[in-house]
Amino acid sequence: GEDVEQSLFLSVREGDSSVINCTYTDSSSTYLYWYKQEPGAGLQLLTYIFSNMDMKQDQRLTVLLNKKDKHLSLRIADTQTGDSAIYFCAPYSGGYNKLIFGAGTRLAVHP
Amino acid sequence: EAQVTQNPRYLITVTGKKLTVTCSQNMNHEYMSWYRQDPGLGLRQIYYSMNVEVTDKGDVPEGYKVSRKEKRNFPLILESPSPNQTSLYFCASSTGAGMNTGELFFGEGSRLTVL
Repeated sequence: GEDVEQSLFLSVREGDSSVINCTYTDSSSTYLYWYKQEPGAGLQLLTYIFSNMDMKQDQRLTVLLNKKDKHLSLRIADTQTGDSAIYFCAPYSGGYNKLIFGAGTRLAVHP
Repeated sequence: EAQVTQNPRYLITVTGKKLTVTCSQNMNHEYMSWYRQDPGLGLRQIYYSMNVEVTDKGDVPEGYKVSRKEKRNFPLILESPSPNQTSLYFCASSTGAGMNTGELFFGEGSRLTVL
């Protein structure tokens, strides 16, 4: 089956930038999503990028896509304590007609 | 308010005692799915449904059953729960069968402990 890899933990200082990385195996992914899970809650869509784009910016969020290397990243500028959460990379798999979720990266923001 | 509602949110049960986790969505979504979340493993799909009376296995269907008699409801049934089914369960729904255009909306989760 298709696979998505993410590092499990990231710790940053408040005000710094956070970069969460993801690699995936399905080269046919058309949409690639980032979901955020706050403590005790379900997942919520944070942003997404279409496969014909290299970059998408949405306020403090920047998504970079390298299709050749099958690498996706999420940059959060000026990281705040409210950004502490688990972030899931989820490319859409056309072959399986579903999102394939990574294990999630737990972002901890400290003063 | 558009939402996916799961019940119960927390449950402790014993091995072999049948239980059902309900899921209901009020967005008229065709697609619904169940996931389990375990540390280090992320979300794994248990079952999904493209529409009423249409269900199919996901990645980890063993020990679970589902039904989709109505569009809004998609219950998850554990006929004989075992300790390895202790997990955090999420129900999700989406507008289209084609997930390349549909955002998944998640419930708040049901934490199940099987003793």
